[in-house]
Amino acid sequence: ELKVEQNPLFLSMQEGKNYTIYCNYSTTSDRLYWYRQDPGKSLESLFVLLSNGAVKQEGRLMASLDTKARLSTLHITAAVHDLSATYFCAVGDNDKIIFGKGTRLHILP
Amino acid sequence: NAGVTQTPKFQVLKTGQSMTLQCAQDMNHNSMYWYRQDPGMGLRLIYYSASEGTTDKGEVPNGYNVSRLNKREFSLRLESAAPSQTSVYFCASSASLLTYNEQFFGPGTRLTVL
Repeated sequence: ELKVEQNPLFLSMQEGKNYTIYCNYSTTSDRLYWYRQDPGKSLESLFVLLSNGAVKQEGRLMASLDTKARLSTLHITAAVHDLSATYFCAVGDNDKIIFGKGTRLHILP
Repeated sequence: NAGVTQTPKFQVLKTGQSMTLQCAQDMNHNSMYWYRQDPGMGLRLIYYSASEGTTDKGEVPNGYNVSRLNKREFSLRLESAAPSQTSVYFCASSASLLTYNEQFFGPGTRLTVL
């Protein structure tokens, strides 16, 4: 059974700092997703990572995938308040995707 | 395109009542999914439909039934609601594995069972 673990689950950081969210998964998969959720809102797709060594960047967010280590990271560069949200990683499991519990990110001005 | 739509947005039920949550997508996607989101639990899959005419159980199917009415619509039914089913319910859809099964989510239904 595929399990997805994120850490940390909560993160409070200052604007301008860098930080990384980690996503580990338990069995082989061919795809990994990162989503963003604002309070009271739905989920928005950020990245889809498909191969070992894949790296994708959008603004201050960069996601990478190491399939051998079963690890993905979401790196935040020079955080700004607008990035405050909950970030989920999710891993493909045949027709389904399995979500981690999410990382609630709070960026202090 | 509206994407994925869900009705209702909010609902309050009494224990034992039944209701159906509706979901529709206009992206011609093959696969549709129902999740529930509870604080600290992430999203847990209730049921999914990989293609029209098929449905499968997810992680937490007990107390729910689904119907894939046609390619566009996928409904979730609570036959006898319980307080443990208080949650936010999200419907999602994806094209196919050929498009890496990226899922697109509806706005959610906030359900309270008293």
